[in-house]
Amino acid sequence: EIVMTQSPATLSVSPGERATLSCRASQSVSSNLAWYQQKPGQAPRLLIYGASTRATGIPARFSGSGSGTDFTLTISSLQSEDFAVYYCQHCNDWPTFGGGTKVEIK
Amino acid sequence: QVQLVQSGAEVKKPGSSVKVSCKASGDTFRSYVITWVRQAPGQGLEWMGGIIPIFGTAKHAQKFQGRVTITTDESTSTAYMELRSLRSEDTAVYYCARNIAVTGTPSVFYNAMDVWGQGTTVTVSS
Repeated sequence: EIVMTQSPATLSVSPGERATLSCRASQSVSSNLAWYQQKPGQAPRLLIYGASTRATGIPARFSGSGSGTDFTLTISSLQSEDFAVYYCQHCNDWPTFGGGTKVEIK
Repeated sequence: QVQLVQSGAEVKKPGSSVKVSCKASGDTFRSYVITWVRQAPGQGLEWMGGIIPIFGTAKHAQKFQGRVTITTDESTSTAYMELRSLRSEDTAVYYCARNIAVTGTPSVFYNAMDVWGQGTTVTVSS
């Protein structure tokens, strides 16, 4: 099983600032990596797939990068609606998710 | 745009079974992969498995071998996930989701998920 490790567990950011979230895979997943946003009581929302392709309707302030084992989700200027938990997921054999990064208001 | 609507909350006894439904509307149901993901209280997400309605072909995670069955009913555009021999650790919110239709990935079963149901809470308690 590929283990996905996200860091940090919690990220405190002020509105308007940049947020950088990391995700590391225990073995290479090539570019088969997705990012999701989840707010309390809601289903996850797909942000990024293929490591760097924004899903339909996702604002340009969200960007993904990386390949192999190391990936980054960047939110260029945090808006109030961006405070949430973010999960990465590898999309190779038998997908697994990271433990999540909570982005909270500083 | 497709919408996925799941069945209501369930409370089950240990050792029993639960069957959660996921009804699709607004788009072609049969050609997309429907995946099931669960989330235990306060925990992260766990991929359970998926099915391609047009073929009726399903895959599920090894962890659920022998306990989970994923099926579809094309006549009603509904997918089902049945989990048997329930234990307290199965208490979770169960989501169905539609996989994105992209090529060049290891398997359509493993693609990212862009449309999600609202979730079904399953509580296992004696």
